[in-house]
Amino acid sequence: EPEVTQTPSHQVTQMGQEVILRCVPISNHLYFYWYRQILGQKVEFLVSFYNNEISEKSEIFDDQFSVERPDGSNFTLKIRSTKLEDSAMYFCADRVESFSGTEAFFGQGTRLTVV
Amino acid sequence: GQQVMQIPQYQHVQEGEDFTTYCNSSTTLSNIQWYKQRPGGHPVFLIQLVKSGEVKKQKRLTFQFGEAKKNSSLHITATQTTDVGTYFCAGPEGGNKLVFGAGTILRVKS
Repeated sequence: EPEVTQTPSHQVTQMGQEVILRCVPISNHLYFYWYRQILGQKVEFLVSFYNNEISEKSEIFDDQFSVERPDGSNFTLKIRSTKLEDSAMYFCADRVESFSGTEAFFGQGTRLTVV
Repeated sequence: GQQVMQIPQYQHVQEGEDFTTYCNSSTTLSNIQWYKQRPGGHPVFLIQLVKSGEVKKQKRLTFQFGEAKKNSSLHITATQTTDVGTYFCAGPEGGNKLVFGAGTILRVKS
């Protein structure tokens, strides 16, 4: 069973601080995504990453956000100066071809709380 | 950009009753996907529908894709407490990302 692993599971940070969220996707896959979900709301696309480059980003993904693949396996989302409204669940997702179709295979998520 | 609407927002049913959630896209979709998110969990892929008018079944779950490929539905027959969660539809945009509906929260009374 493939797995997308995210760390930490929960992070509390003060407004204005930088946070780094980490994801270990399924190995040898090229397509990765970051999504976020504000509590009780829908899942929103942030950015897609293909072959070590950003392929698309949403309006939410402004200059405060960046993604990297620093060592060829781990995949990070950095928020440079957090705001209260950045509080949300952040999901990393891998694109997987399965019997049922092409799916976004989500990690367990990181709950970010900005205080 | 593309919008995906979902109704109802919330449904509370008695165990054994049926449940249906409806999804409507502002644009024609190449495919539509359905995800389930348990309380406190992450979205888990259920199914992808590709063809116009397609119907797929997974045990008590029936998924339909409209003829115009702009709407879809998920029907659960005889709900169980394990069906509790939020059901999201999602359509691809730009070939590279998913646009999710707002989800339908299902609660089941035993």
